[in-house]
Amino acid sequence: QFHLQQSGQGLVKPSQTLSLSCAISGDSVSSDSAGWNWIRQSPSRGLEWLGRAYYRSKWYVDYADSVTGRITINPDTSKNQVSLQFNSVIPEDSALYYCARDENRVIDYWGQGTLVTVSS
Amino acid sequence: IQLTQSPSSLAASIGDRVTITCRASQTMGSALAWFQQHPGKPPKLLIYETFTLHRGVPSRFSGGGSGTEFTLTINSLQPEDFATYYCQQFDYYPPITFGPGTRVDIK
Repeated sequence: QFHLQQSGQGLVKPSQTLSLSCAISGDSVSSDSAGWNWIRQSPSRGLEWLGRAYYRSKWYVDYADSVTGRITINPDTSKNQVSLQFNSVIPEDSALYYCARDENRVIDYWGQGTLVTVSS
Repeated sequence: IQLTQSPSSLAASIGDRVTITCRASQTMGSALAWFQQHPGKPPKLLIYETFTLHRGVPSRFSGGGSGTEFTLTINSLQPEDFATYYCQQFDYYPPITFGPGTRVDIK
């Protein structure tokens, strides 16, 4: 049974680092047909793709232009999970953050979501 | 690539047929998907590769289109279909982009 379980902090102070994890069950983070995405949702931005990690004989990670330089997505094969680190957060980074799997470029499963608030 | 959706919201009755349009700023291939989202839940895949119904999705949902215009049609709207619908493209990856959403309300 495939499942994505998200964990991580819900409240972050401005300028600090947001860290989220997505534990994968029912698939391997090293699958050569899957991609592991981080997507956020807010009233102002709608659904915004942040980045994707995928393994095709080696690891690749792509990021959205809007967040390049501020985020890092790391696959962890020992824990079968993928993590997101978001540096120097600002209040506008407050959103519902999701991890999601794509299988052959079809986003078919989403985590439960983590509500992140950036506030002092 | 930018995706726009029309209408941004609509009100319909149980049993109605509803069509939502997604327009792309550039000509696309077939990697266009549709999602349904209820409040407080993650999006749920309905249609992928423009036409293909995801497993377990009722057959009253159908997708179509090509080029820059794509559609999601719901035949005989049911109570559980009142939700927000999003289109999404993978053809011009990276990035992955989503439409702004169409909210379907009860008339």
